[in-house]
Amino acid sequence: EAQVTQNPRYLITVTGKKLTVTCSQNMNHEYMSWYRQDPGLGLRQIYYSMNVEVTDKGDVPEGYKVSRKEKRNFPLILESPSPNQTSLYFCASSLGGPNNEQFFGPGTRLTVL
Amino acid sequence: DAKTTQPPSMDCAEGRAANLPCNHSTISGNEYVYWYRQIHSQGPQYIIHGLKNNETNEMASLIITEDRKSSTLILPHATLRDTAVYYCIVRVWSFNKFYFGSGTKLNVKP
Repeated sequence: EAQVTQNPRYLITVTGKKLTVTCSQNMNHEYMSWYRQDPGLGLRQIYYSMNVEVTDKGDVPEGYKVSRKEKRNFPLILESPSPNQTSLYFCASSLGGPNNEQFFGPGTRLTVL
Repeated sequence: DAKTTQPPSMDCAEGRAANLPCNHSTISGNEYVYWYRQIHSQGPQYIIHGLKNNETNEMASLIITEDRKSSTLILPHATLRDTAVYYCIVRVWSFNKFYFGSGTKLNVKP
């Protein structure tokens, strides 16, 4: 089944403890992206990647890192999480280009205490 | 990217057509209009997209005005399971950022 998977689905952590949220897709998509969703602010793009070893900032990249060493994986790294990074996170992938839809993962709900 | 404007909420009776409007008055010629929906806090689900022409698939129809400054998503026979937040997005072909906006909360009522 074609899908985007994220792990973990739920995570409670403390300020400053490094964490990684994994994202994997099995559709051979070039394009991958991370979003965060907060009440009243909608979905905002954090980082995106056009292909392996190619990443770029979205609208809210501060406090996050990403890497794209393999086509299928696009992990989101929080080196020193803070409470303002408490949010619902979504990973998405696409074939790229303007005429292809994004497929979204199920989401990761992160709470930073 | 062109920004979009949608009404915050709409109601629709079950079995009737739901017509969700979107204004994108600053859209450029190479920007596609995409529609997604999100049920509760699940991952957004793709519905349909188009550039200039009207489009139809098994889920919905997309009507884009001739000047491309607005569009309407039509769910022909809304069911209770169509209750969700619907997002209208415009996407530039050479630019891979996406702006989801606040969306329209569609409430389908029995």
